[in-house]
Amino acid sequence: DAGVIQSPRHEVTEMGQEVTLRCKPISGHNSLFWYRQTMMRGLELLIYFNNNVPIDDSGMPEDRFSAKMPNASFSTLKIQPSEPRDSAVYFCASSYSSGKVYEQYFGPGTRLTVT
Amino acid sequence: DAKTTQPNSMESNEEEPVHLPCNHSTISGTDYIHWYRQLPSQGPEYVIHGLTSNVNNRMASLAIAEDRKSSTLILHRATLRDAAVYYCAYISGNTGKLIFGQGTTLQVKP
Repeated sequence: DAGVIQSPRHEVTEMGQEVTLRCKPISGHNSLFWYRQTMMRGLELLIYFNNNVPIDDSGMPEDRFSAKMPNASFSTLKIQPSEPRDSAVYFCASSYSSGKVYEQYFGPGTRLTVT
Repeated sequence: DAKTTQPNSMESNEEEPVHLPCNHSTISGTDYIHWYRQLPSQGPEYVIHGLTSNVNNRMASLAIAEDRKSSTLILHRATLRDAAVYYCAYISGNTGKLIFGQGTTLQVKP
C-alpha cells in the first residue's frame, strides 16, 4: 500500500486566496483525521470523519476552514480566505475503527505558507 | 481535554536503553495511551499503545504506572535512526480522537 497520500506537498499562496489541501487515505480505513502542526501550538486535531461523516470538528479554528469527505478514498481541507497565521504543516491521517482503538497512519503533510 | 506532560529534550548514547517519561495524571480510566514519533520532515509514526498493562512490540516497550498517572516508553537499544520527537498522546474512550502532548526531542549520540 502507498500509505496516506497528500497533495500538494508544498503550497505558497498570498493572503486572501483560497487553498485546498487533498488527502487519499489508506484503502480499507474508515476514519480520517486532519491535523495542523505549528511550533507554537504543536499538533492539533482539526476534524475527523468516521465512515465519511464528520464526527468532531471542534478543532476547526474558524469558519474560514471547511473539510469534506465525499467518498471513502478522498478528503479535502479548504481555507478561504487564507491568512498568514494559517501557515503550518497540515497532516492527514487514517485508521481503521471498529469500536476498538487502532493506530493512525499519517501522510507526509502539506507545508502551507501564506504571505 | 486532559493533558500529557513530557520533558522537552533528552539525550542518549547509541546502543544504550532510553526511557522516555510522560505524565498524564488527568486522563480518564478508559483513555488509551499512545506513543508516536516524528522524524524530521515526516508525519508522525505510530510506536505503541496501551491501557493498563505493559506492552511490547518490535519497536519499543510501554510501561504504564499502576495508577495510570504516568507511563514510560522504553527503547531497548537506541540507534542513530531513533533520533526523533517522541509524542505521548491519548485517545479519549473509543472516540478515535488523539490528543498529542508537546513531545520530547531525543538526541542519540554515537
